[in-house]
Amino acid sequence: GEDVEQSLFLSVREGDSSVINCTYTDSSSTYLYWYKQEPGAGLQLLTYIFSNMDMKQDQRLTVLLNKKDKHLSLRIADTQTGDSAIYFCADQTPNQFYFGTGTSLTVIP
Amino acid sequence: SAVISQKPSRDICQRGTSLTIQCQVDSQVTMMFWYRQQPGQSLTLIATANQGSEATYESGFVIDKFPISRPNLTFSTLTVSNMSPEDSSIYLCSVVGRVVVGEQFFGPGTRLTVL
Repeated sequence: GEDVEQSLFLSVREGDSSVINCTYTDSSSTYLYWYKQEPGAGLQLLTYIFSNMDMKQDQRLTVLLNKKDKHLSLRIADTQTGDSAIYFCADQTPNQFYFGTGTSLTVIP
Repeated sequence: SAVISQKPSRDICQRGTSLTIQCQVDSQVTMMFWYRQQPGQSLTLIATANQGSEATYESGFVIDKFPISRPNLTFSTLTVSNMSPEDSSIYLCSVVGRVVVGEQFFGPGTRLTVL
């Protein structure tokens, strides 16, 4: 099966940029996603990228995809305390979704 | 985007009992899924809920333990049967959107604690 991996924790200072990384193994990915989960809440879709794209920008969010290395990243510019949450990447293959382990982002005021 | 509601939002249950979780979507969707998120873990797909036929279960999950119904294109239920403390998790339903192929939306989740 597919392995989708993320580092578990990230701390940044308010106003700095955050970069959350994700690696995956399946070469048949069609879409890759980033979800945000705040404490006690469900998952919120933040953004997604087609597997044939290199980059997608959406306001403070920038997604970079290196398909050769099977590496996905999410950059959050001007990180705010409200960005503190767990971020999951997800890889969609023709058969199903695979979720990463989640990265807990802590924003220090 | 699809709006998904789940009932109950949380419950505390006794060992050996069963709980049925409901998932309601505000529009007709073709694909609905049930996931489990154990404490501090990522999401694990339990099954795909198929309208009018038996659900498709992932490895490690069986119908006797997690019976699923999907009577129409907007509603599904997941039952957690004969519960044990190991079943304590957040259970989420999700749907694939129709506007953008592949876009997946999640319900708010049902937080289950088994004593």
